[in-house]
Amino acid sequence: DADVTQTPRNRITKTGKRIMLECSQTKGHDRMYWYRQDPGLGLRLIYYSFDVKDINKGEISDGYSVSRQAQAKFSLSLESAIPNQTALYFCATSDPARAKNIQYFGAGTRLSVL
Amino acid sequence: DQQVKQNSPSLSVQEGRISILNCDYTNSMFDYFLWYKKYPAEGPTFLISISSIKDKNEDGRFTVFLNKSAKHLSLHIVPSQPGDSAVYFCAASNTNAGKSTFGDGTTLTVKP
Repeated sequence: DADVTQTPRNRITKTGKRIMLECSQTKGHDRMYWYRQDPGLGLRLIYYSFDVKDINKGEISDGYSVSRQAQAKFSLSLESAIPNQTALYFCATSDPARAKNIQYFGAGTRLSVL
Repeated sequence: DQQVKQNSPSLSVQEGRISILNCDYTNSMFDYFLWYKKYPAEGPTFLISISSIKDKNEDGRFTVFLNKSAKHLSLHIVPSQPGDSAVYFCAASNTNAGKSTFGDGTTLTVKP
């Protein structure tokens, strides 16, 4: 089983709909991250969380919100989806005490907003 | 302003030869640098890293070089194998900040 699991793997939705992407991990890491990747571009940080009570905005947080329900779960929501949010979304975890600055990624969620 | 740049979107090499992937950064506060490898339909996976206090780190066929004065790092793969064909992301981090900044990636193709 994957250590970092993202659901769903693919999602097609319509403009204006609210959707949630979920991430769960069995690695026992405190730190979790949400990124988006657009074609030909790198990973851009949306939100990150260093523990259950800590939520921080990344470089492109507008239009997104997150919830850290437990150490193992970090969800990303699009309150009202728009077409330019069509992208590949990745969740990641890290534990700097065990593996400095290394992040472990899920397989990604491909989102299309029509 | 893009703080981490990979100026070559793609690179093609022959099997057995050396692959050199380059990365430049602008933020002098970065103190740790990583390379990730990504296959289609999978998430990025960690490949190799280097601390800013070093100038070289080697792991098997993979070596990362850091030139702090030039704010430049490179990943050398030798010998290259067809299974190395993937997208390679350079990432830079400030350990205190706890987050990384990624380049746009370089697609490496190793031809048999």
